[in-house]
Amino acid sequence: DAGVTQSPTHLIKTRGQQVTLRCSPKSGHDTVSWYQQALGQGPQFIFQYYEEEERQRGNFPDRFSGHQFPNYSSELNVNALLLGDSALYLCASNTLGTDTQYFGPGTRLTVL
Amino acid sequence: KQEVTQIPAALSVPEGENLVLNCSFTDSAIYNLQWFRQDPGKGLTSLLLIQSSQREQTSGRLNASLDKSSGRSTLYIAASQPGDSATYLCAVSPGNQFYFGTGTSLTVIP
Repeated sequence: DAGVTQSPTHLIKTRGQQVTLRCSPKSGHDTVSWYQQALGQGPQFIFQYYEEEERQRGNFPDRFSGHQFPNYSSELNVNALLLGDSALYLCASNTLGTDTQYFGPGTRLTVL
Repeated sequence: KQEVTQIPAALSVPEGENLVLNCSFTDSAIYNLQWFRQDPGKGLTSLLLIQSSQREQTSGRLNASLDKSSGRSTLYIAASQPGDSATYLCAVSPGNQFYFGTGTSLTVIP
């Protein structure tokens, strides 16, 4: 049983570009959450998707957007990249109403 | 807004020592608290989940306690091993998302 998978593993972009990160949830899970973890910090909640709708959003600008597909996989899009967007982006999945979120290995984004 | 603090930020101990990591949070209206382990450059591995109605959870050499009224949790690691070296993160959830601390970086010296 595959756990949460994310792609790509690493990504390098330049300021102003756009990026798309992908996440496949653990089998049987229907809810996907995205977190940003800057170096030396704890993860910060970006948003959560369930039934292809954004269910809850953290304190992130509209440059951060997402999507969930019918197979429950999800994408995180970031437009107009800033240097400060450099971070590890983590995806977590769970079944709505259950407590434990399972995290993927993350995508390391570097913005130059 | 929920604030989660972890003390100490870094800890170095000799192998075999018992140790305690601390976590405090400002809003006691939580649904659960979870302790995670993170190896350098990697994702998070869940260690223990404590529901708001529980006082502690145990898994092997790990024991986590929760005092919701005082906004505190501790993670106790018994007989530490070099393989325990990692960053330990505490996270609290009001239901839909986790609020994380900045972690404690643990080094166990052989």
